[in-house]
Amino acid sequence: DTAVSQTPKYLVTQMGNDKSIKCEQNLGHDTMYWYKQDSKKFLKIMFSYNNKELIINETVPNRFSPKSPDKAHLNLHINSLELGDSAVYFCASSPRQGTDEQYFGPGTRLTVT
Amino acid sequence: AQSVTQLDSQVPVFEEAPVELRCNYSSSVSVYLFWYVQYPNQGLQLLLKYLSGSTLVESINGFEAEFNKSQTSFHLRKPSVHISDTAEYFCAVSEIGGANNLFFGTGTRLTVIP
Repeated sequence: DTAVSQTPKYLVTQMGNDKSIKCEQNLGHDTMYWYKQDSKKFLKIMFSYNNKELIINETVPNRFSPKSPDKAHLNLHINSLELGDSAVYFCASSPRQGTDEQYFGPGTRLTVT
Repeated sequence: AQSVTQLDSQVPVFEEAPVELRCNYSSSVSVYLFWYVQYPNQGLQLLLKYLSGSTLVESINGFEAEFNKSQTSFHLRKPSVHISDTAEYFCAVSEIGGANNLFFGTGTRLTVIP
């Protein structure tokens, strides 16, 4: 049973396209996150959702939009993809805001050509 | 704002030798501290965390880290490494009472040599 799952695992697409990455957690957690890991392995928070409400939006271009149809899902939509969007995107969840451990998904490797 | 520095991007070490992976942080507020491990082609897994209490925390697979407030450090150590410890290790902080936003260091690639 996968706690945090992401689809697809790999995504190759051309510049200018619109794509989505899906994330689901079956842990009953209240808070979900999206992180971007660049080619140098640096991880940076992009968004977090708590009970379907966006609570963090770091300096991310508005081409990126998180969508949460319910507490168990936080999907990432990306419009007008650019070369610099190539990275590994990780979804994570935690029981609630605060001190709790975050559980990470396996990642989605996005390659924009 | 918080920042995390991992000075060593790569650490090669022979099997059964000790290892220390360094982590220093900077923050204007009190923080919680974490070490995450990323095995090849996998997501991140929590290795250990410091929230409060004893400044020395341990993981189930022999790693330990010590919170040093005066030196703003949270170095990770293991007295004897195994081949299976080869992975990327990330130090992270989050603000106490904040939104649980994790700020990561740039990672240290530990390679255990047979």
